[in-house]
Amino acid sequence: GESVGLHLPTLSVQEGDNSIINCAYSNSASDYFIWYKQESGKGPQFIIDIRSNMDKRQGQRVTVLLNKTVKHLSLQIAATQPGDSAVYFCAESGGSNYKLTFGKGTLLTVNP
Amino acid sequence: DGGITQSPKYLFRKEGQNVTLSCEQNLNHDAMYWYRQDPGQGLRLIYYSQIVNDFQKGDIAEGYSVSREKKESFPLTVTSAQKNPTAFYLCASRQGAGRNQPQHFGDGTRLSIL
Repeated sequence: GESVGLHLPTLSVQEGDNSIINCAYSNSASDYFIWYKQESGKGPQFIIDIRSNMDKRQGQRVTVLLNKTVKHLSLQIAATQPGDSAVYFCAESGGSNYKLTFGKGTLLTVNP
Repeated sequence: DGGITQSPKYLFRKEGQNVTLSCEQNLNHDAMYWYRQDPGQGLRLIYYSQIVNDFQKGDIAEGYSVSREKKESFPLTVTSAQKNPTAFYLCASRQGAGRNQPQHFGDGTRLSIL
């Protein structure tokens, strides 16, 4: 299948380890943040979101942390599995038009 | 099943030809979006529509056109004026009410030049 992850930052982990994927944003007016997972040849899949009035949100095996002071967002994946291998994008939104601005993505590779 | 359907999955364009990419959603979402993705890049917004019969240019609208005649459909035309059309095109939709709603994506159309 086609890869959309060429020339991206990469993270390689062992199966069962925890993964941390980082994202920096520049717009101090951004107030809504989303993490997406994109597998090769497919569209991005929603993972988890967080609003700017929160600094942490947990889902199933995933946690998103938001540090507005340094404009930094992270996605933590617990007990990483081979099926987690994909490109992960952060996206931010602010203002009234609900437009999202996407980061360039991080390629996560999980080694069995 | 509810979702977003993009067709075709692969499309080839000859020089000087216009091509139209289809996007249909049965999620009853108000807003729809078109993005372009190039290798090693994030998604860039081409056009978006927040309501039927209305749409706005995104960051890279030149060489593209859209229409929104029905709530469930948002076709994208790649015109001959788009000189570098080879890319992966993604359509998304979003529930209109409320600011903090994620966009949901189709599985894309890969456009190549013959």
